Amino acid sequence: AQSVTQPDIHITVSEGASLELRCNYSYGATPYLFWYVQSPGQGLQLLLKYFSGDTLVQGIKGFEAEFKRSQSSFNLRKPSVHWSDAAEYFCAVGDSGGSNYKLTFGKGTLLTVNP
Amino acid sequence: SQTIHQWPATLVQPVGSPLSLECTVEGTSNPNLYWYRQAAGRGLQLLFYSVGIGQISSEVPQNLSASRPQDRQFILSSKKLLLSDSGFYLCAWSGRAGVNTEAFFGQGTRLTVV
Repeated sequence: AQSVTQPDIHITVSEGASLELRCNYSYGATPYLFWYVQSPGQGLQLLLKYFSGDTLVQGIKGFEAEFKRSQSSFNLRKPSVHWSDAAEYFCAVGDSGGSNYKLTFGKGTLLTVNP
Repeated sequence: SQTIHQWPATLVQPVGSPLSLECTVEGTSNPNLYWYRQAAGRGLQLLFYSVGIGQISSEVPQNLSASRPQDRQFILSSKKLLLSDSGFYLCAWSGRAGVNTEAFFGQGTRLTVV
């Protein structure tokens, strides 16, 4: 069964600093990979996704993520964090082998941004 | 443009009371619809999904049920709430190609069972 691990429960960075949120997945084939962001008390918004092709994908709000098959990772990065980036971030994997109804989410990483 | 509405935003219910959460989608036809539950520190868990009117698939056994009486309406229900039903419930929709394209989430309902 597919699974997603986000090793960092909570990360604090200063505004303007760079950011990397880690995501490791377990899946037998090439997965569909996603990063979603959730502001407090809100729904989730898609930041970016990877299906195939270029392993470095660009998303909204200046985020990017790199798929590394050898490390089973899909880490999210941003070169300079803004205070408005404070939120919870979820990595997710979709099933490329059949079911297109299920996203498996990690437990999330809460990002705090200090002024 | 497509929008998804979910209500109520917050709900406090006593143990043993019934539950009905409603979700509607506008601006699209024949969407796939989903109910997720989010417990603190546990990520999101898929509860139900539906590919059409009256077609409901359950992912986990539980005290909840779902129904889809109309194409763009998805309802989450319970006859008798348990304390363990507390959580943040999110409705989502996707196109016919499924969540591997993109899923769009509602604002969520915070349910507290007391």
